[in-house]
Amino acid sequence: NAGVTQTPKFQVLKTGQSMTLQCAQDMNHNSMYWYRQDPGMGLRLIYYSASEGTTDKGEVPNGYNVSRLNKREFSLRLESAAPSQTSVYFCASSERGGRDTQYFGPGTRLTVL
Amino acid sequence: QQQVKQSPQSLIVQKGGISIINCAYENTAFDYFPWYQQFPGKGPALLIAIRPDVSEKKEGRFTISFNKSAKQFSLHIMDSQPGDSATYFCAASIDGFQKLVFGTGTRLLVSP
Repeated sequence: NAGVTQTPKFQVLKTGQSMTLQCAQDMNHNSMYWYRQDPGMGLRLIYYSASEGTTDKGEVPNGYNVSRLNKREFSLRLESAAPSQTSVYFCASSERGGRDTQYFGPGTRLTVL
Repeated sequence: QQQVKQSPQSLIVQKGGISIINCAYENTAFDYFPWYQQFPGKGPALLIAIRPDVSEKKEGRFTISFNKSAKQFSLHIMDSQPGDSATYFCAASIDGFQKLVFGTGTRLLVSP
């Protein structure tokens, strides 16, 4: 049981490049989330998916797109990376949301030059 | 208002001491208050959680105190150990609401 896995672990991009962060969970959870973590800002929700086939914006969605590929996988895409998107990105999943525990992946450290 | 305010931003406690982290919220509809613990280089993990029908919940050395009238809750770590050095996040949610609202985090360092 791997839980929540994320790839890659580290990435360096140049301004304007695009990339996709991959996330998968093997807990049969319905809800999945993408957060970014910046010093002094805590965890800020980018997008979430309450169930397969649905996605919704979180607190900081600008510059990002997501795809809930199936129940297991939820990807985050940066179409044209900017230095302000330098951050650590976490994917999480929970059974339904609300009071259910969120299980986090190990994170992706992204640097945009 | 969805915000959860957390303090202090950082905390240094001697081994064996009590660590206290505080959070405050505005939205009285919140009915679930978890704390997450994050070690360096790892993702956050649920530590302990409370619902507003109780004023205190204890699990080992970790206790959540909840004050509904003041709209505040806090995490107490008794007999703090160097292994407790981590970042702690409070959060809040509403049953049936998909999202958790996180505080800004407290970096705890327990000195040997």
